[in-house]
Amino acid sequence: NAGVTQTPKFRVLKTGQSMTLLCAQDMNHEYMYWYRQDPGMGLRLIHYSVGEGTTAKGEVPDGYNVSRLKKQNFLLGLESAAPSQTSVYFCASRGRGGDYGYTFGSGTRLTVV
Amino acid sequence: EDQVTQSPEALRLQEGESSSLNCSYTVSGLRGLFWYRQDPGKGPEFLFTLYSAGEEKEKERLKATLTKKESFLHITAPKPEDSATYLCAVQADQAGTALIFGKGTTLSVSS
Repeated sequence: NAGVTQTPKFRVLKTGQSMTLLCAQDMNHEYMYWYRQDPGMGLRLIHYSVGEGTTAKGEVPDGYNVSRLKKQNFLLGLESAAPSQTSVYFCASRGRGGDYGYTFGSGTRLTVV
Repeated sequence: EDQVTQSPEALRLQEGESSSLNCSYTVSGLRGLFWYRQDPGKGPEFLFTLYSAGEEKEKERLKATLTKKESFLHITAPKPEDSATYLCAVQADQAGTALIFGKGTTLSVSS
């Protein structure tokens, strides 16, 4: 099925460890986004990309890095995880034109202990 | 600062009891207002996009409307399967393609 796939779905990290979250879309979408969702805070934009090889900072970029080496993939990296990064991470993509609605992945639940 | 506020935070309805969810926004220039549905443990699912005041869109028991300051999501004769969190988001002129989300309204419909 076409859509946005996130891996892994769950992960527990120790403080200071690093990891990469992978987002893959098969809809040939230009735009891709990483959001985090925390109770009482809603969805907040971390980083986004408007095309292959481009990235930009969102509302809460500190502690995260991203890369978009291929159009279909958008990677989110945590270099040194902190408990404040415990959250549910969602990747989304959208194409040009149409209703501009995002297609979201099913999320990665990350716990940093 | 661009901002989206949803109310109420939570809403409990009986099956068949119609109601409305509110999304008020302040943005530098509205390019679009979006409604999403999110079920527990899943990603948000796109419902509607509204672009200009006076616009309305419908899907089954849901109807979204837009004014210059707010949007309403009207739910007519809801069923238990309509229980979910409904998210409102705006795309503003100065935010590029990114969406700014409200915190959501959690709807519970009991039979």
